[in-house]
Amino acid sequence: EVQLVESGGGLVQPGGSLRLSCAASGFAFSTYWMSWVRQAPGKGLEWVAIIKQDGSEKYYVDSVKGRSTISRDNAKNSLYLQMNSLRAEDTAVYYCARDHSNRLDYWGQGTLVTVSS
Amino acid sequence: DIQMTQSPSSLSASVGDRVTITCRASQSISSYLNWYQQKPGKAPKLLIYAASSLQSGVPSRFSGSGSGTDFTLTISSLQPEDFATYYCQQSASTLRTFGQGTKVEIK
Repeated sequence: EVQLVESGGGLVQPGGSLRLSCAASGFAFSTYWMSWVRQAPGKGLEWVAIIKQDGSEKYYVDSVKGRSTISRDNAKNSLYLQMNSLRAEDTAVYYCARDHSNRLDYWGQGTLVTVSS
Repeated sequence: DIQMTQSPSSLSASVGDRVTITCRASQSISSYLNWYQQKPGKAPKLLIYAASSLQSGVPSRFSGSGSGTDFTLTISSLQPEDFATYYCQQSASTLRTFGQGTKVEIK
């Protein structure tokens, strides 16, 4: 059974940093692109970042580019999102998702990031 | 970046109704269009991929059509469990983007 479990969310002050993790199981993690998607409270879905199977290609939405880094450790079946210089508008539930043949076919349950003083 | 625009933003319908949601891309995306369903407090669920392919386990009352810039999600006979928010998403670009969502409510 495919499982994606996010962790690392929490309350952080504006300007602070946070590292989100996503533990994958039940599939060959190293053979899939992976994405992060976020959802601000009461708002729609926003795609955040994507990483290629071997980590050689990474792409970001403009609103986090330069402040966030997506990475992965295929030996640990884990995906990460390092977020720096956090702003109030980064407050959201962050989901990791498997990007299989151009579709997000499995999603985690999400982890909440709250940026507030 | 490719912009995705859904309409309507919300709709009210009754059980048994036929429901249609549209999604328009700011440029041609061929058939690189997916549809997701999201219920409150839950992660999104993939319904339709590549514009018209039904994801495994999804009821056949859901269908998708379109190519290029204009796409449609149709629910042939709305069921109580279908009241949710629906999102389109393009994957023609590595910079994925979602539509703003369509909330389907009970009339």
